[in-house]
Amino acid sequence: ETGVTQTPRHLVMGMTNKKSLKCEQHLGHNAMYWYKQSAKKPLELMFVYNFKEQTENNSVPSRFSPECPNSSHLFLHLHTLQPEDSALYLCASSQVGRSGANVLTFGAGSRLTVL
Amino acid sequence: GENVEQHPSTLSVQEGDSAVIKCTYSDSASNYFPWYKQELGKRPQLIIDIRSNVGEKKDQRIAVTLNKTAKHFSLHITETQPEDSAVYFCAASSPSGGGADGLTFGKGTHLIIQP
Repeated sequence: ETGVTQTPRHLVMGMTNKKSLKCEQHLGHNAMYWYKQSAKKPLELMFVYNFKEQTENNSVPSRFSPECPNSSHLFLHLHTLQPEDSALYLCASSQVGRSGANVLTFGAGSRLTVL
Repeated sequence: GENVEQHPSTLSVQEGDSAVIKCTYSDSASNYFPWYKQELGKRPQLIIDIRSNVGEKKDQRIAVTLNKTAKHFSLHITETQPEDSAVYFCAASSPSGGGADGLTFGKGTHLIIQP
């Protein structure tokens, strides 16, 4: 698969489990993002990484922990989640430059269900 | 931070008619406004975008208009077809200094094309 790849596509976990979501981009972009998509809510920006440095954390609970080992890979580590955390988690990447147009390419998402 | 409002939440139009989706934003520094289309079970994909230095942009049956004074922008789809049925998201961004800034999205509009 080209573009932005996310695994797993579906994940069911209990509130005491620890799991991770993985994202890989094959586009040579320099920025990566995690978004949360819940029913009847806007896409919520969670984390931004620019050149592997975290530049934004939108007041996300500490039970979500991002990791960006290099500009092509992004992880979201999950632990002691709540049922309301069930959602589609979308990864995206972009090439940030001086043009100011931040065109995001999204992955297919990881559907998370917390029991 | 930026706040984006999108209306309507659901829009049903007859095939062949036009559809208009409207968004407002709060941050006057925002200067990039993309529109994403998300078909059922698929990832959001960019369909058109506009920067604050232009008032209108067209791409075949799709057009976007921007009113910076009023801080609102709209998506216009003419001669709608069944494949236009999807959820459409507007977004706003205020990139600064070439760094990555996540987009702030509206809640989305479910466009239904009636045969």
